[in-house]
Amino acid sequence: DTAVSQTPKYLVTQMGNDKSIKCEQNLGHDTMYWYKQDSKKFLKIMFSYNNKELIINETVPNRFSPKSPDKAHLNLHINSLELGDSAVYFCASSRGQTLPGNTIYFGEGSWLTVV
Amino acid sequence: QQPVQSPQAVILREGEDAVINCSSSKALYSVHWYRQKHGEAPVFLMILLKGGEQKGHDKISASFNEKKQQSSLYLTASQLSYSGTYFCGTEMPGGGNKLTFGTGTQLKVEL
Repeated sequence: DTAVSQTPKYLVTQMGNDKSIKCEQNLGHDTMYWYKQDSKKFLKIMFSYNNKELIINETVPNRFSPKSPDKAHLNLHINSLELGDSAVYFCASSRGQTLPGNTIYFGEGSWLTVV
Repeated sequence: QQPVQSPQAVILREGEDAVINCSSSKALYSVHWYRQKHGEAPVFLMILLKGGEQKGHDKISASFNEKKQQSSLYLTASQLSYSGTYFCGTEMPGGGNKLTFGTGTQLKVEL
């Protein structure tokens, strides 16, 4: 079984559309994340949730809205998509809120292309 | 604030050694190393905590010098499977569970 799974893996959509990416982890972890990797391969944190509570919200446009219905799921909804949103979005999880000793496990990524 | 890695890219012949450096402008609490193959997710390699520790796994090891705010990843007797992009992820004191990833180093091992 995949530890951190996200869907869809590939998404091509037009500017202005709204889309969602779903993420689920079966590791029993308390903390989940969304990272964005751009075309230059820079990997940046967007959001982090601990037990359904938002704890990290980087300077991300409010068109991006994460939702965590329970601690095993963290979805990402994006409104009014723009060309610059094209990237790979990685969901990840870790055991707890404190990193030392806690490995971050990444999902396989969702390749979003906005045309 | 993003850690800077060097070199940006390196090409090795199988069996050669390489060192990848990660430097931060801020004090560090821990350093995590990941490898990402093309089209795949980053995969965890190791964590180093403050205290100047060194760690190793098979032919890949790393060191962490908290005074210099630097970490280095050592790959010895490289194999084709080592090819990929290596990222350091740094955590700052009081930074919660926020991991800031470095600029990345592309490593290619050839026959």
